[in-house]
Amino acid sequence: GQQLNQSPQSMFIQEGEDVSMNCTSSSIFNTWLWYKQDPGEGPVLLIALYKAGELTSNGRLTAQFGITRKDSFLNISASIPSDVGIYFCAGQKERIKEYGNKLVFGAGTILRVKS
Amino acid sequence: SAVISQKPSRDICQRGTSLTIQCQVDSQVTMMFWYRQQPGQSLTLIATANQGSEATYESGFVIDKFPISRPNLTFSTLTVSNMSPEDSSIYLCSVELSETQYFGPGTRLLVL
Repeated sequence: GQQLNQSPQSMFIQEGEDVSMNCTSSSIFNTWLWYKQDPGEGPVLLIALYKAGELTSNGRLTAQFGITRKDSFLNISASIPSDVGIYFCAGQKERIKEYGNKLVFGAGTILRVKS
Repeated sequence: SAVISQKPSRDICQRGTSLTIQCQVDSQVTMMFWYRQQPGQSLTLIATANQGSEATYESGFVIDKFPISRPNLTFSTLTVSNMSPEDSSIYLCSVELSETQYFGPGTRLLVL
């Protein structure tokens, strides 16, 4: 099936450091989404990207939709303890009327922050 | 965004039994989706549930094992039938709004 390669698999960083994670694919996606999942919760949408080259920020988070439409990255600046969790990228190919936006998810990046 | 609730939030079930999970959203949505997240894994789409039509299942998932209902635009159910320990997972519903998917809190299922 379709695969998104998300890296790194996990990170253990110092509070205040910047964090970067990315997703790549061998095929083109029309939409990239970044979600965060806290323990015991469902994924929460952080940033949605709809155009190749688009750079979007949400507070300390910045994400970009790669020009080739095959990749995306998420940066977190000045990390804080509540940033811990699992971050998932998700890509959507084409919108099919009957099926809506079928998403393909990356394997996730586990973020741990040392205070 | 949307406010999405799921019931039950968690359950422990015996093998061979079935569990029905409910998903309620606070606004009318056309598209609802059901996902499975196995322990330590990412999300895998089980099926797409449109109101007024049969659910569309992904490869590896069948209606007999995961029957889905979608009686109106704010509600859906997923049943996990004839459960085995391999069905122990988090089951998540999501809805599509403005071409973006939002997720419920999930139902944590443990099958003994």
